[in-house]
Amino acid sequence: EDKVVQSPLSLVVHEGDTVTLNCSYEVTNFRSLLWYKQEKKAPTFLFMLTSSGIEKKSGRLSSILDKKELFSILNITATQTGDSAVYLCAGLPNAGGTSYGKLTFGQGTILTVHP
Amino acid sequence: KAGVTQTPRYLIKTRGQQVTLSCSPISGHRSVSWYQQTPGQGLQFLFEYFSETQRNKGNFPGRFSGRQFSNSRSEMNVSTLELGDSALYLCASSLLDLAGEQYFGPGTRLTVT
Repeated sequence: EDKVVQSPLSLVVHEGDTVTLNCSYEVTNFRSLLWYKQEKKAPTFLFMLTSSGIEKKSGRLSSILDKKELFSILNITATQTGDSAVYLCAGLPNAGGTSYGKLTFGQGTILTVHP
Repeated sequence: KAGVTQTPRYLIKTRGQQVTLSCSPISGHRSVSWYQQTPGQGLQFLFEYFSETQRNKGNFPGRFSGRQFSNSRSEMNVSTLELGDSALYLCASSLLDLAGEQYFGPGTRLTVT
């Protein structure tokens, strides 16, 4: 069975700090790793990573995938209180058979940023 | 472009009843996936539809069913509700037929009493 594990489960930092969130995965016929941010509503898409070693960036957020070691990290620099949320990673297999549209999610990392 | 919409946003039902939830994907998206989110189990995959066909189903009992219409709108139905069905039900749409990124709707918060 596919499995995605995130660490740490929770993190408390102060504004301006840099944080690194970890995600390891075991997904059969793996295709991509996705990151989402969830506040008190639906998950918001951040990144989809398919190729190993290629960093994706969006403002203060960046992420990279290591397909050899089966993990991904999400970095947030110069954190702000608005970054407080649950960050979810999910593994997506190649489409086909019993894999269509099935994201396997980790438990999430609860990030709290204090002023 | 409008995002994924779900109706209703909140629902309270009693045990034994049934419920139907609706999801309209982003315009042009033809793949719709459904997920259940609970504090204990996190986000779990329910099923996926494409071109009115269910292509995949998660490990949920047969009380959970769904369908997709020709305009890509999707509905899911839960019959004989149990207390444990209380959850946030999320649908997500994807542009690509093959393993594309999924965008989530706001969810329907179902409470079963």
